[in-house]
Amino acid sequence: DIVLTQSPTSLAVSLGQRATISCRASQSVSTSNYSYIHWYQQKPGQPPKLLIKYASNLESGVPARFSGSGSGTDFTFNIHPVEEEDTATYYCQHNWEIPYTFGGGTRLEIK
Amino acid sequence: QVTLKESGPGILQPSQTLSLTCSFSGFSLSTSSMGVSWIRQPSGKGLEWLAHIYWDDDKRYNPSLKSRLTISKDTSRNQVFLKITNVDTSDTATYYCTRSPSFDYWGQGTTLTVSS
Repeated sequence: DIVLTQSPTSLAVSLGQRATISCRASQSVSTSNYSYIHWYQQKPGQPPKLLIKYASNLESGVPARFSGSGSGTDFTFNIHPVEEEDTATYYCQHNWEIPYTFGGGTRLEIK
Repeated sequence: QVTLKESGPGILQPSQTLSLTCSFSGFSLSTSSMGVSWIRQPSGKGLEWLAHIYWDDDKRYNPSLKSRLTISKDTSRNQVFLKITNVDTSDTATYYCTRSPSFDYWGQGTTLTVSS
């Protein structure tokens, strides 16, 4: 199975500043055209919400303060500027091969 | 408007079989490339992909649970089903269905507690 290692596991960011989350895959999940990594936000009691698909593509309706980048095995997710409503847990996920797996999650707190 | 809704028994005893239903609208499994996945999440823990089924009846399972899982669909009724045999306490979780391949729409989840 491809292991996705997220770091940090939690972080606290001041309102208006930048939050950065890393997701490292145990093997490459990229081709020359696509990276099969996606990012989700989950708030308590809610299902995950797709924010970024294929590493860097903003899902429709998602604010532009969310962004993603990376290729191969190293991916980064950013929120800038963070807002109060961004308090949540964030997950990366791959669909390179079966089984699809998720990172362990990063809990974001807004200071 | 795409919606999905999971339903299940809520509570089971160990060794019983879990039957879950995902009822959806706004898309069809008779449409090329469309599918539905099941994903679960124990309380306070991470997400685990279980299985998916596609419009052409392509079915894939998480190898860690493959022997216990069966996914099926009723295209005419816009429903996808998941059975998990021989449940135990480690299967206690919230079970979600989500539109595949993009996981762009999710149901609210159905909670399962396995307890004797």
